[in-house]
Amino acid sequence: EPEVTQTPSHQVTQMGQEVILRCVPISNHLYFYWYRQILGQKVEFLVSFYNNEISEKSEIFDDQFSVERPDGSNFTLKIRSTKLEDSAMYFCAINPAPTSTQGGLTYEQYFGPGTRLTVT
Amino acid sequence: GQNIDQPTEMTATEGAIVQINCTYQTSGFNGLFWYQQHAGEAPTFLSYNVLDGLEEKGRFSSFLSRSKGYSYLLLKELQMKDSASYLCAVRDYDDYKLSFGAGTTVTVRA
Repeated sequence: EPEVTQTPSHQVTQMGQEVILRCVPISNHLYFYWYRQILGQKVEFLVSFYNNEISEKSEIFDDQFSVERPDGSNFTLKIRSTKLEDSAMYFCAINPAPTSTQGGLTYEQYFGPGTRLTVT
Repeated sequence: GQNIDQPTEMTATEGAIVQINCTYQTSGFNGLFWYQQHAGEAPTFLSYNVLDGLEEKGRFSSFLSRSKGYSYLLLKELQMKDSASYLCAVRDYDDYKLSFGAGTTVTVRA
């Protein structure tokens, strides 16, 4: 299973502050994703990133959010002015190269360990 | 958009079998995933189906019927460590993003 790390594991910030969440995939991948999960709720898609550009974004991903790959390896999610409702687990996910199975090519998607963001 | 339904909770006995159903209605389909998620942790990949039929991986099997918009995850020989939330997710055709169901919490009792 491809390895994905995320930093920090836990971030506490005050409302209105900016936060940057980082994702570091161990090997090169084409697609990157950010998802979030508010406590007790389902995992929600935020944004996909392909070939150094945003591929798609959800309605949650408004102007206060941005993503980039500043140095070609780290993949970051920035929240410019945090709100209380931004408190959630934020997961980075990757698609490694497809693997061949009996059913054809398998496109798996793996999640990083997540960053727990707490906005006070 | 995607509409994905799965039961909220299931309880089973250690050593038994449990089947978690998932139904979906999608605007574009490119595969169905099952993930396991323990409380406070990230989803862990379990299985992926893109063609109709059964995929078996050890104690876990997953089935897909695209015409019925239906999948199930079968957990055999349940162990206490299998107590977790099981997430059904459908992949979008264009950029492979996943849309998740709310998850099924499985509790395994001794």
